[in-house]
Amino acid sequence: DQQVKQNSPSLSVQEGRISILNCDYTNSMFDYFLWYKKYPAEGPTFLISISSIKDKNEDGRFTVFLNKSAKHLSLHIVPSQPGDSAVYFCAASGMEYGNKLVFGAGTILRVKS
Amino acid sequence: DVKVTQSSRYLVKRTGEKVFLECVQDMDHENMFWYRQDPGLGLRLIYFSYDVKMKEKGDIPEGYSVSREKKERFSLILESASTNQTSMYLCASSFRGIDENGYTFGSGTRLTVV
Repeated sequence: DQQVKQNSPSLSVQEGRISILNCDYTNSMFDYFLWYKKYPAEGPTFLISISSIKDKNEDGRFTVFLNKSAKHLSLHIVPSQPGDSAVYFCAASGMEYGNKLVFGAGTILRVKS
Repeated sequence: DVKVTQSSRYLVKRTGEKVFLECVQDMDHENMFWYRQDPGLGLRLIYFSYDVKMKEKGDIPEGYSVSREKKERFSLILESASTNQTSMYLCASSFRGIDENGYTFGSGTRLTVV
């Protein structure tokens, strides 16, 4: 039973356009949601997060939106750059899970120049 | 910056070998984790530890064990390597509390079992 779902295995976007990566979750008790970015042969790196008490968090070109009623979050990258091409993992945490993050399966983003 | 170091980037081992993957963190984090990453399956938790000499099973512990004798070091052991354990192995660490900073990951070890 996947608690965090990324239903799009891959996404292709033109350079300069917006990339929107989506994530759905099933447990309303999650407290934090995070996005990680991973290049091949490297470990994931933290990108941006959002607390469950907020609905938006922005950091430069990256914005995360949280819709708690729909149990849905999205990561917007504007403008997309070729260097953004990577695997993006959505993750969630909450007291119910101790100190563990629950990860989605990931979405491969390809930004074409 | 927090640093999590995994001892090997690439490993090739034979079926049946005992394999040790080492992970060291330098930020005095209480929590340490071992994940494996496989295409289409995301990151799956193998084992984790909240303190020295403490360990808890994750979602896929079968065929693995761990050791945490010192706070900064968390070792993953494949008792008898099998081909289905070919994967990318990722170590991570974090402070005890849940916060928006999540984990810090190492660079990963790509293990191939032949």
